[in-house]
Parts: sequence; C-alpha cells; structure tokens
Amino acid sequence: GQNIDQPTEMTATEGAIVQINCTYQTSGFNGLFWYQQHAGEAPTFLSYNVLDGLEEKGRFSSFLSRSKGYSYLLLKELQMKDSASYLCAVRDSNYQLIWGAGTKLIIKP
Amino acid sequence: GAVVSQHPSRVICKSGTSVKIECRSLDFQATTMFWYRQFPKQSLMLMATSNEGSKATYEQGVEKDKFLINHASLTLSTLTVTSAHPEDSSFYICSAVRPGGGNQPQHFGDGTRLSIL
Repeated sequence: GQNIDQPTEMTATEGAIVQINCTYQTSGFNGLFWYQQHAGEAPTFLSYNVLDGLEEKGRFSSFLSRSKGYSYLLLKELQMKDSASYLCAVRDSNYQLIWGAGTKLIIKP
Repeated sequence: GAVVSQHPSRVICKSGTSVKIECRSLDFQATTMFWYRQFPKQSLMLMATSNEGSKATYEQGVEKDKFLINHASLTLSTLTVTSAHPEDSSFYICSAVRPGGGNQPQHFGDGTRLSIL
C-alpha cells in the first residue's frame, strides 16, 4: 500500500529552527508537496520538490531524496504565527495526491 | 490573491436538509477539482475527484448518492450533501490544479464548515 509518515507533533521555540521529516512509500513518484494548515482553515501551498536537493523559499526550505523516499521541511527564525499543521503530500504514478496525516507544530515563546 | 473560491464558509442546518457547496476556480479553467473532508484533528480525506463533463470518481467508502457532485462548467464544481445527518458534520474543502505542468500544486478553497443539528 501507499504510505506517508510524519511526526504527529513537534514543539519548538520562537526564533529557533525546526525540521519536519516526511518519509514515503508510494506507487511511483511525481513530486512532493508541503502545505501549511492553520487550525480551522484550509491548507495553503508551501513548496514543491520533484528533483533531489534543497528548495529554498525565504524562511522555509524543503529537501528531497528520492532514493531514500525522504523529505524534510526546514523552518528558520520561527515566529508564533508558524504554529500550524504541516502536511506532506506525494503525487504517485497516477498523479493522485497521497496525503500524510500532518505534523502539528507548536511554537513556544 | 485567492485562486479557488468556496461558498458558503459555514452552514448550520437541521437534520434531513440537503446542503450545496460551490467551488470555483477564479482565473483558470479546471477540468478536475477535488473534494475533501476533514474531521477535527484528523488528516484530509479525499472524497471524490470531480471531472468536468463526466461523472465524478468517488473514493472507496464514499456514498455517491449521498454526496452528489456536479462539474457542469470548467470553473465550477458543486458538492451536495443530501439528507444530511449529524455524522455528516465536518469541514469540507475543495481544491483545483491550475493547468501548466506537473509542478502545479492543488490550490484549496477556504473550506465549508458544516454543522448538522
């Protein structure tokens, strides 16, 4: 079956750096997406990786290793507003998005 | 700005009522839209894929007669929850993909919070 694993919850301190990991086993691979979802709101798109390596976008970076079936989202200079759930999603060979359960990130002052 | 618009944002109604939710792509044509449901503190669950001009593709366990999907135009898909009951109370979210290549993400509407009394 297809599976995406990410930690259920993480806690970090304001101003610090946090890395949220995602491992996947899917039928084929056509890209990996990271989304941010604040409580009670819809997800918003953060990043997309299809080739190995690091994609940087401001305070957020996303890394992909296809051979390891692994990605991480790196958040720098954490702000209180970064408290949210972070969803990892992989597009399989049928271009279907397989969603992880999300990682709830708690930022403490 | 918003790419996908979803209405209404919140619905509270009595058991047995049918509720229609609209999803519009604002500045592009979407041949495919997606409908998700999310219960509190749980992950997104894909309910169905809405295909313009043809029948929707439903995920296993989703009743097609209960959740009617109509994708009559390239910018509008509707989800109707028929004869809703309290267990249908949930957060319903639609999404669409802008044409233009494999790196295009799904863009989500703001969601509809449905509460059945």
